[in-house]
Amino acid sequence: DTAVSQTPKYLVTQMGNDKSIKCEQNLGHDTMYWYKQDSKKFLKIMFSYNNKELIINETVPNRFSPKSPDKAHLNLHINSLELGDSAVYFCASSQRGRGDYEQYFGPGTRLTVT
Amino acid sequence: SQQGEEDPQALSIQEGENATMNCSYKTSINNLQWYRQNSGRGLVHLILIRSNEREKHSGRLRVTLDTSKKSSSLLITASRAADTASYFCATDETSGSRLTFGEGTQLTVNP
Repeated sequence: DTAVSQTPKYLVTQMGNDKSIKCEQNLGHDTMYWYKQDSKKFLKIMFSYNNKELIINETVPNRFSPKSPDKAHLNLHINSLELGDSAVYFCASSQRGRGDYEQYFGPGTRLTVT
Repeated sequence: SQQGEEDPQALSIQEGENATMNCSYKTSINNLQWYRQNSGRGLVHLILIRSNEREKHSGRLRVTLDTSKKSSSLLITASRAADTASYFCATDETSGSRLTFGEGTQLTVNP
C-alpha cells in the first residue's frame, strides 16, 4: 500500500492556467506538508497543516492555495501559473507537526509550465 | 542562506568503498535527520540523531553529530551501486517547528 500518494505524477501546462495537485496519506498522521524542489534539488517547505489547520505558511505567492478537506488529504491549487513555478512538488506527512518526527514523502509531481 | 550546507556536492566512488558526506548548519538544533532521494523519487528517511547524541548506527550507516562545530556526517560503509542517490540532511531548529533541508550530496557508486 502506498503511504503517501500524489496525483498527477507529471503535469505540463501553459502559463496562465490554473492547476491542482492532490495528496493523500494512509498513515494516520496528523501533519501534512507541501515542498517545492527546484532544478538544483533544493527542497523548500511551502505549507504545513496539522489536523486540517494551517501551521506553516512560508513566503509563497498567494497564487498557491493549499486545502485540507480532512487530515488524510492536502491538495495544492495554483492559479495563473508562471514559468518559475516549474519544479517538482512533494507532499509529505509526519505523525506530529514537530521536527523530531520523520517525514514520509510522496513520489512527487513534476510540473512543467510552458 | 540555508541552514544546512552539504559537502561535497557530488561524490563518486567504487562499489565496496566507504562514502562520507558532511552537513554544516548555523543555528541551535533539537535534532538532525538524514534522507535519501533516488532519482525521480521522493525522499526516504534514513536516520535521526538528537542534539544530545554524538553517534548513531543503522545497518551500514553511521551518523555523527558535533553540536560544538554545528556539523554532522553520514558514513555509508561497503557501498553498493544501489546506494547511488542524493543524500540530504535536515535540521530541526530549536527556534522553529519545521525541518530545514540542506542542498544535498549526489552520491554515485560505480559497480
